[in-house]
Amino acid sequence: GAGVSQSPSNKVTEKGKDVELRCDPISGHTALYWYRQSLGQGLEFLIYFQGNSAPDKSGLPSDRFSAERTGGSVSTLTIQRTQQEDSAVYLCASSLGASRKETQYFGPGTRLLVL
Amino acid sequence: SQKIEQNSEALNIQEGKTATLTCNYTNYSPAYLQWYRQDPGRGPVFLLLIRENEKEKRKERLKVTFDTTLKQSLFHITASQPADSATYLCALSSGGSYIPTFGRGTSLIVHP
Repeated sequence: GAGVSQSPSNKVTEKGKDVELRCDPISGHTALYWYRQSLGQGLEFLIYFQGNSAPDKSGLPSDRFSAERTGGSVSTLTIQRTQQEDSAVYLCASSLGASRKETQYFGPGTRLLVL
Repeated sequence: SQKIEQNSEALNIQEGKTATLTCNYTNYSPAYLQWYRQDPGRGPVFLLLIRENEKEKRKERLKVTFDTTLKQSLFHITASQPADSATYLCALSSGGSYIPTFGRGTSLIVHP
């Protein structure tokens, strides 16, 4: 079946512009996660959704970052007034959401470059 | 603070040998630990999960051990192949959280 998809695959933007990153999770997965991965760094947790609500937003680095999820499916991560330090790969993952020991299925990521 | 350590240096081995990767952690009481594989330009792919009360888990050529006393997990690939070349990430989860914490990963390079 279809896996997690993300769009765009690559995004180049100018400092100060807003960007929207999209994630389509696996159908039926209620849990959705956003991570950020910088070169040579581990996965940095950003936000977790269970259905449409976000019980854990603790990883969002600043108020320029926000995310929403509608219909328990597609999620959008928005970065306002982008800065060069926002350049990274943004990964989305989904899981069934039924227990805490579930496997996460990752998308291919969106590579963001802020000039 | 909680810390997960994976060797930042790439592991280079010859085809056919056993690759062993290490994941150490401090200030953490994980309920379970996962290993993922990540290829360049791709998202991580789940390989194995081991619980705190399990010592060892196997899947085909893969073996994971989990020593909560040493606070260490070892990930073994036997009869390694060039196609096993990738970055391997460990991820720890406590019993009360849906959010795993990932290590930075170790790059494995298998030479033909």
